[in-house]
Amino acid sequence: GQQLNQSPQSMFIQEGEDVSMNCTSSSIFNTWLWYKQEPGEGPVLLIALYKAGELTSNGRLTAQFGITRKDSFLNISASIPSDVGIYFCAGPGYNTDKLIFGTGTRLQVFP
Amino acid sequence: GAVVSQHPSRVICKSGTSVKIECRSLDFQATTMFWYRQFPKKSLMLMATSNEGSKATYEQGVEKDKFLINHASLTLSTLTVTSAHPEDSSFYICSAIGQEIIYGYTFGSGTRLTVV
Repeated sequence: GQQLNQSPQSMFIQEGEDVSMNCTSSSIFNTWLWYKQEPGEGPVLLIALYKAGELTSNGRLTAQFGITRKDSFLNISASIPSDVGIYFCAGPGYNTDKLIFGTGTRLQVFP
Repeated sequence: GAVVSQHPSRVICKSGTSVKIECRSLDFQATTMFWYRQFPKKSLMLMATSNEGSKATYEQGVEKDKFLINHASLTLSTLTVTSAHPEDSSFYICSAIGQEIIYGYTFGSGTRLTVV
């Protein structure tokens, strides 16, 4: 079935640094969603991408929908301690409403 | 807009008892609701999809008699973990989509179930 692989698996960075994480798939996705999950909470949508090549920003976050439709990246600029959490990419499977989730990138920010 | 409320946030129950988890869409009509299970440090695993007024569709390997899902109205879906065992302990999360929200999957805040 369709799978989404995220890298890196975890990141430990200093406050103020920029962060970049990736999501790749062996199959095409028509929509890419980026979520953040904090401990004990449900995922919260950060950015939604609907077209190949699309580049979208939300504050310090920027995400791009890869031109091949098989990848996406999320960048966080000037990280702050509250950026800590797990970041998931997700997308609806082929011909379905079901969301497939990536493996997640755990971000830790040190002051 | 697009708020999904999940209740309870935490529940501890004894082995053999049943637990009901509610998922409500507060400001939109949820045509479809999804139930996920998440193990520590793992991604979300889809358990089932429920559409209002019809039977839920379960993912492969999910026991439908163990995890009863009811989607009786356009704003409420429930997941009942029947005859719970310690291995059912997990974080359960629901999400909902409605016709007026394009891929705006909104998630509940999750329920931490501990079976002792």
